Amino acid sequence: GESVGLHLPTLSVQEGDNSIINCAYSNSASDYFIWYKQESGKGPQFIIDIRSNMDKRQGQRVTVLLNKTVKHLSLQIAATQPGDSAVYFCADSTDSWGKFQFGAGTQVVVTP
Amino acid sequence: NAGVTQTPKFQVLKTGQSMTLQCAQDMNHNSMYWYRQDPGMGLRLIYYSASEGTTDKGEVPNGYNVSRLNKREFSLRLESAAPSQTSVYFCASRATTDTQYFGPGTRLTVL
Repeated sequence: GESVGLHLPTLSVQEGDNSIINCAYSNSASDYFIWYKQESGKGPQFIIDIRSNMDKRQGQRVTVLLNKTVKHLSLQIAATQPGDSAVYFCADSTDSWGKFQFGAGTQVVVTP
Repeated sequence: NAGVTQTPKFQVLKTGQSMTLQCAQDMNHNSMYWYRQDPGMGLRLIYYSASEGTTDKGEVPNGYNVSRLNKREFSLRLESAAPSQTSVYFCASRATTDTQYFGPGTRLTVL
């Protein structure tokens, strides 16, 4: 999910398939990571988070994987639905100062 | 429990005009943030307030000022708007070691 100028990377997924969205972060000191979903015209909505002492965390239909060695985060959405169409972006933080660094996002388009 | 609310939702300004964007949260969060979001870019931090009575600059503070009026409210002021400030502005709040919760945004156009 890295920015390519004005155009976000797009992931087209068929309804019912699984989606995998990737994100690279740069700060090796980051210890808290979040995935957000943003629908058109709305504010970002929290999906799932993970701390650096874990490498996997599961929620309802979503799983976040963290690879600290290569500073990579991924979000897996199971059985993607039309309502999952949105921009997804990751954020990382070091809790000590409470500020987040945000990725530009990936546009997910779910097709019937 | 409304979460994070922002006013106005939309605003059009002429170059040189001033305005204040309002933000309030009812989650008793200590930290509050103002971001701008431009097409194809990640959210960029303008200012933040780690607690009531404190404010600090973020990544892109030039042209903006903030006020942490009380624990609930954090306003963003544009003293002399410029076309480069055309953007979508989001306010967020956060408890100590938790995620940030975002408001619905203010869509600002500066002509």
